[in-house]
Amino acid sequence: DAGVTQSPTHLIKTRGQQVTLRCSPKSGHDTVSWYQQALGQGPQFIFQYYEEEERQRGNFPDRFSGHQFPNYSSELNVNALLLGDSALYLCASSFMGLAVYNEQFFGPGTRLTVL
Amino acid sequence: AQSVSQHNHHVILSEAASLELGCNYSYGGTVNLFWYVQYPGQHLQLLLKYFSGDPLVKGIKGFEAEFIKSKFSFNLRKPSVQWSDTAEYFCAVTAGNYGGATNKLIFGTGTLLAVQP
Repeated sequence: DAGVTQSPTHLIKTRGQQVTLRCSPKSGHDTVSWYQQALGQGPQFIFQYYEEEERQRGNFPDRFSGHQFPNYSSELNVNALLLGDSALYLCASSFMGLAVYNEQFFGPGTRLTVL
Repeated sequence: AQSVSQHNHHVILSEAASLELGCNYSYGGTVNLFWYVQYPGQHLQLLLKYFSGDPLVKGIKGFEAEFIKSKFSFNLRKPSVQWSDTAEYFCAVTAGNYGGATNKLIFGTGTLLAVQP
């Protein structure tokens, strides 16, 4: 059973460019959350997608947008890249069931460097 | 706004030493608490979690954590560390207003633990 997969592994962009990161959730999961982890920091919540809609959003500008597809995979798009967007971008998947909590499983991340 | 503080940024221990990593959160309502671990070159993975009930929770690999509501703390402990425990440890919290299900995780800045053989 494949876990959460993300692509690409590494990416280098220049300021002002746009980037798309991809995530495939763990089998059986229907919810995808994205996090940004800057160097020396803990992951910060960007947004969460369920049923192809953004369900929750963290404190990130509109330059950060996302999408979820019918097969539950997801994309994170960042427009007008800034140097400060350099970070590890983590995807986490889970199942939106009726339990009190459904564990979020994390992928390996995409390392984005903005020059 | 919710926040999580981890006061130990870098901890170095010898094998067999006892471990305690501090975690404090700020949120007045119902919270769910977690410790995640990231071993070198691996994904973030859940170490243990607290939702309700016994405030002393046990996780994988001999780790445990105690929820002290009055102190807004959720410290991680292990009586005897091993070299294989070398990793980065993150404390995290979710608010209970979505019923806990897949709510956003608020992470601390992490503690790098290095265990010397």
